[in-house]
Amino acid sequence: QSALTQPASVSGSPGQAITISCTGTSSDVGTYNLVSWYQRHPGKAPKLMIYDVTNRPSGVSNRFSGSKSGNTASLTISGLQAEDEADYFCSSYTTSTSLVFGGGTKVTVL
Amino acid sequence: QVQLQESGPGLVEPSDTLSLTCAVSVYSISSTNWWGWIRQSPGKGLEWIGYINYSGSTYYNPSLKSRVTMSVDTSKSHFSLKLSSVTAVDTAVYYCARYERRGYYGDYWGQGTLVTVSS
Repeated sequence: QSALTQPASVSGSPGQAITISCTGTSSDVGTYNLVSWYQRHPGKAPKLMIYDVTNRPSGVSNRFSGSKSGNTASLTISGLQAEDEADYFCSSYTTSTSLVFGGGTKVTVL
Repeated sequence: QVQLQESGPGLVEPSDTLSLTCAVSVYSISSTNWWGWIRQSPGKGLEWIGYINYSGSTYYNPSLKSRVTMSVDTSKSHFSLKLSSVTAVDTAVYYCARYERRGYYGDYWGQGTLVTVSS
């Protein structure tokens, strides 16, 4: 299966809101509400931020929210903070009974 | 908090088999979770390799299935990955992760280990 498509980079100023898109196909994102998002700081373990498109795990700030429309899922970070600067990856379940990830998006806080 | 730690050789020769182990602590590996491997090659995104549960059931990425073998050792609380016939394209940071019982997302990850394929 092909990787999900994410923008290589997104930037914003502190306090702003940014949105990262994750585009798949009818074989993954478009069929299942099983998209998850991960944050990874350099040299650190990836951290689950959103699961099942819109759900936040306990302990994740409510500044992070997820949504989906058709074949595209999105992660929105509101009230951008310096600590949000990291790489973000999306993932989806697929009709091949497997999982697929996106190429990753580097978020820069200006 | 679940802890996972990858270990294994950092350098593997082309055509050899890459072998990694993930030690699980502060959680029972015999629970109803899936235990997975994910990698990131230089300049690329994450790639799901597959996962295994405590009873040995597995799901593999179709593109890697012919070269992947996963196993679990509940007595040692660890699970393992073997990737055969490696080439330079298998050079990557390899992560292990705990997947929730349905297998749709990884809720705890290791920090990753770099494996370089080179002679």
